[in-house]
Order: sequence, then structure tokens, then C-alpha cells
Amino acid sequence: DIVMTQSPDSLAVSLGERATINCKSSQSVLYSSNNKNYLAWYQQKPGQPPKLLIYWASTRESGVPDRFRGSGSGTDFSLTISSLQAEDVAVYYCQQYYTIPWTFGQGTNVEFK
Amino acid sequence: EVHLLQSGGGLVQPGGSLRLSCAASGFSFSGSVMNWVRQAPGKGLEWVSSISESGDTTYYADSVKGRFTFSRDNSRNTLFLQMNSLRPEDTAIYYCTKSGTPGIPFPNWGQGTLVTVSS
Repeated sequence: DIVMTQSPDSLAVSLGERATINCKSSQSVLYSSNNKNYLAWYQQKPGQPPKLLIYWASTRESGVPDRFRGSGSGTDFSLTISSLQAEDVAVYYCQQYYTIPWTFGQGTNVEFK
Repeated sequence: EVHLLQSGGGLVQPGGSLRLSCAASGFSFSGSVMNWVRQAPGKGLEWVSSISESGDTTYYADSVKGRFTFSRDNSRNTLFLQMNSLRPEDTAIYYCTKSGTPGIPFPNWGQGTLVTVSS
């Protein structure tokens, strides 16, 4: 199984400041035939199901604000929130969908400093 | 608009059984891969199972293989997760999810249903 490891586990950021979450996979999730990374990011607020933010490592889902940016390739990825807003306080998960079993990182809790 | 309405959770004793349902609307159900993802209380996300558009092919996490059965009724736009030999570690919120077009994993989620396995 591909193991997904996020860092940090928790992150305190001031309103309007940048937040960066890292995600490392135990093997590459880059599909060579189409040069796409099968890596997604989700946001989950308390009492709600997760919401897809980013897929293919860097493509924003429809309706996701452009302050959310995904980057990286192969085994190392990042999610950056360029200017933290009140509504961004949540837990964020990365997920590989390169191969079954699809696996998630342990989650990063983003809160206000 | 995609809508996934779940039902069937509850409290069950260890070794017992439970069936979850997920009624879908707002999209081509028979043309969509569907999935279950679970989340233990206060914990992270775990993929449980996926089913092909026709229902001919299913995949399971090792943690539930042989105990859970994922099926679908395309005439009723409904998914079913039959859970047998339940264990305390199966306690979680279970979400049904719709896969997107190829390359887009889980863009749509149900509201979740809580399964508690306890004596």
C-alpha cells in the first residue's frame, strides 16, 4: 500500500497569512503515460463530509478559491493557502488515487494563531 | 445537482450485521463508479470499497475484505453496503462517494451515517 504522510499535524496561522501543508507518498503517484500526478487534497470542517479542493496535484475543483494552490510531483506535494481566511479553518487531507487501496494522509489541522 | 442520501446506520453488537444504503440523484448513476469511505471518531479518512458502473467489479480494503459486500441497483439508483461480522474497529461514519470523470477521485459525498459496534 502507498503510505501518505502529512506534515505538520497541526498548523496555527494568523488571518491573512500563508499556510503550507506538505504531503509525502511512499512511492511515486506520477502516471508516466499521461504525466499526471494522482494526488488530491480535501478540506473537512467539523460535522461535514470532506470537500474536494485539488486533483491531479494542482488542478482546483470548480468553485474553489484561487488562494488554494496545489504543487509538487512524484512523491512530494504541497497545499498552500496564500492568505488564510476565517472559513479556511479545517482539517486538510491529501489522498493518492494512483492505485488501490486509495490512501489518505493522517490530516493536518489548520487553526488561527 | 448531485445528491447522495444515506441511511441505515446505527448501533450493533460485535459479530452483528448492518446494511447501509445510499440513494443517488442528479447524475447518471449507472455511468458512475461509486465508493465508500469511512472515518472513525476523531480519526482520519479510510477508503473502504469501490464498485464499477455496472456492479460487476468491486474492490475492498483488506480491513473489510470477506466481511463487507458492496452492491448497487442501477434501476433504483441505490447503493448498498452489507456489513457482516462487525468489529468494534468498524465503528465510524461511513460516507458514500461518487467518483468523477477519470482522474477526479471523490468530488461528491453523502452526508455520512454513523455505525457504532459495541456491546
